[in-house]
Amino acid sequence: NAGVTQTPKFRVLKTGQSMTLLCAQDMNHEYMYWYRQDPGMGLRLIHYSVGEGTTAKGEVPDGYNVSRLKKQNFLLGLESAAPSQTSVYFCASSSNGGAGTDTQYFGPGTRLTVL
Amino acid sequence: KQEVTQIPAALSVPEGENLVLNCSFTDSAIYNLQWFRQDPGKGLTSLLLIQSSQREQTSGRLNASLDKSSGRSTLYIAASQPGDSATYLCAVRDSNYQLIWGAGTKLIIKP
Repeated sequence: NAGVTQTPKFRVLKTGQSMTLLCAQDMNHEYMYWYRQDPGMGLRLIHYSVGEGTTAKGEVPDGYNVSRLKKQNFLLGLESAAPSQTSVYFCASSSNGGAGTDTQYFGPGTRLTVL
Repeated sequence: KQEVTQIPAALSVPEGENLVLNCSFTDSAIYNLQWFRQDPGKGLTSLLLIQSSQREQTSGRLNASLDKSSGRSTLYIAASQPGDSATYLCAVRDSNYQLIWGAGTKLIIKP
């Protein structure tokens, strides 16, 4: 099993450019998440999904859009990148949203730099 | 609003020492607390999960404790090894069922 994979691993954008980050999981998980990690701060939730065809806003959703057309994929889009979106982006998935002993499984991250 | 703090931000100890990492949170109304490990260039891996009704969890050389009333958790690592070098993050699942993360402690074990 590959677990959670993210594409690409690194990307450099110019201000105003757009891009899409792809997350894929092969564990048949219902829940998927996008986080950003900035130096000296904890992970912050951008958007999440509780199942195919659903999405919801997290703590820091502005400037991002997401789609979950297939259960195994969760896409994060930046329509007009800004330097403030320079960060490391992590995708995660879980089976039942944290109930009981459920935990999240993380991808390796995408390091995005916006110039 | 729940806030999670991890002090120190970085820690360097000689191999073989026992050590304790700290995590504090401001609101005791939590469902559980988790400790994760993050290696450079890799994602996070869950180490231990403590339910709000539990006081501790153990896995191998790792022991995590939870004191909800004081808003504290510790991760104890016994007989540290160079392979334990990583960043350790704690996260609490708050009353809104969201995961709130600390900024992590970067641990370096010197051979």
